[in-house]
Amino acid sequence: QITLKESGPTLVKPTQTLTLTCTFSGFSLSTNGVSVGWIRQPPGKALEWLALIYWDDDKRYSPSLKSRLTITKDTSKNQVVLTMTNIDPVDTATYYCAHRALTGDFNSWGQGTLVTVSS
Amino acid sequence: QSVLTQPPSASGTPGQRVTISCSGSSSNIGSTYVYWYQQLPGTAPKLLIYRNAQRPSGVPDRFSGSKSGTSASLAISGLRSEDEADYYCAAWDDSLSGPVFGGGTKLTVL
Repeated sequence: QITLKESGPTLVKPTQTLTLTCTFSGFSLSTNGVSVGWIRQPPGKALEWLALIYWDDDKRYSPSLKSRLTITKDTSKNQVVLTMTNIDPVDTATYYCAHRALTGDFNSWGQGTLVTVSS
Repeated sequence: QSVLTQPPSASGTPGQRVTISCSGSSSNIGSTYVYWYQQLPGTAPKLLIYRNAQRPSGVPDRFSGSKSGTSASLAISGLRSEDEADYYCAAWDDSLSGPVFGGGTKLTVL
């Protein structure tokens, strides 16, 4: 059974750097084809993909946020970390991490963590 | 502004069949698979349909997906009150080199 859980600060000040950790179990990020993604959802709004990291350390970023995002993995700890620089109130959202299957779908999601950006 | 276009809302009465559309382009739906997610209020999204029309284990066959050209549809037959949720389509976008989501459709069961 695959499980994922996001952790990080719930309140961040504008211009700061946000660091979120996804801790997972039930799969290995060193297995061929496996990837983990980050998706966010502002309150009352749609899902927005942010970043993806593959088993071979290939990384993909949303073009609109690429300059502010960094995704890394620690295979030994079963963790994926997302950092977002120069945080703004518009970045207030629930941030989800999700396992991306070989079939291309996000078939398991974490519960999400709400991050509020405010001074 | 989402890359994939969905109607913001849909509705139906119990037992009815409703469809939700998802429109894209040649760089996403037109060249790859479509996925559908259901998000019940206050919860994380859940995979409903993968690779255009496949249902994960545990998803009732009341839910079905289809794709034609640069558009896709999710159909829900025998509508039930517990189907009231937000539904999102998604696809890989070759131009953006990443997945894209629709703006979501809020389904109301009257």
